[in-house]
Amino acid sequence: GAVVSQHPSWVICKSGTSVKIECRSLDFQATTMFWYRQFPKQSLMLMATSNEGSKATYEQGVEKDKFLINHASLTLSTLTVTSAHPEDSSFYICSAHRGGSSYNEQFFGPGTRLTVL
Amino acid sequence: KNQVEQSPQSLIILEGKNCTLQCNYTVSPFSNLRWYKQDTGRGPVSLTIMTFSENTKSNGRYTATLDADTKQSSLHITASQLSDSASYICVVSAHNAGNMLTFGGGTRLMVKP
Repeated sequence: GAVVSQHPSWVICKSGTSVKIECRSLDFQATTMFWYRQFPKQSLMLMATSNEGSKATYEQGVEKDKFLINHASLTLSTLTVTSAHPEDSSFYICSAHRGGSSYNEQFFGPGTRLTVL
Repeated sequence: KNQVEQSPQSLIILEGKNCTLQCNYTVSPFSNLRWYKQDTGRGPVSLTIMTFSENTKSNGRYTATLDADTKQSSLHITASQLSDSASYICVVSAHNAGNMLTFGGGTRLMVKP
């Protein structure tokens, strides 16, 4: 159990377009999901925390109008990169928090590789 | 400021050899420490999770240790295989931190035949 999926696994888009990435918890309900960005040879950097039914909380330096997050249900959160530019090219990873365990565990998705031309 | 530091940054070993990766943290109040394996182009996969009271935990050829007094952890890989080539990330969770995690920079391990 505790599987998190992301779609698409990779996407290439033109500069100026918007791209939506989906994150789903397949076999558990996630009240909280997290979105991370990872550049080559670097560790994950938290972008925002997404809570079901409420506005996302963004980390300092992350533009909320550029990275739109919607957490409409307990199993789905979406990240939309608006007006994408080449510097937005990165590996985007989501994680879902499964409550009820003593470890307060997060489960990570497989990631989405975004390339903006 | 909560921080997690890992060493070495990168490591090359021969197939079949053992290795140990280190993690030092200053996260407080400590909740738990996790080791993840991340293959290139993939999301992190959990190897072990330890709370304050757990000193060691194994998962197959992976054994993690935790010294909560010195705030150090290690991940020992036994009889390495080519498939162990990946980044290993130490992640620490703090109590009352909204389930947020503090990530180490990772150790990039390459196992050569």
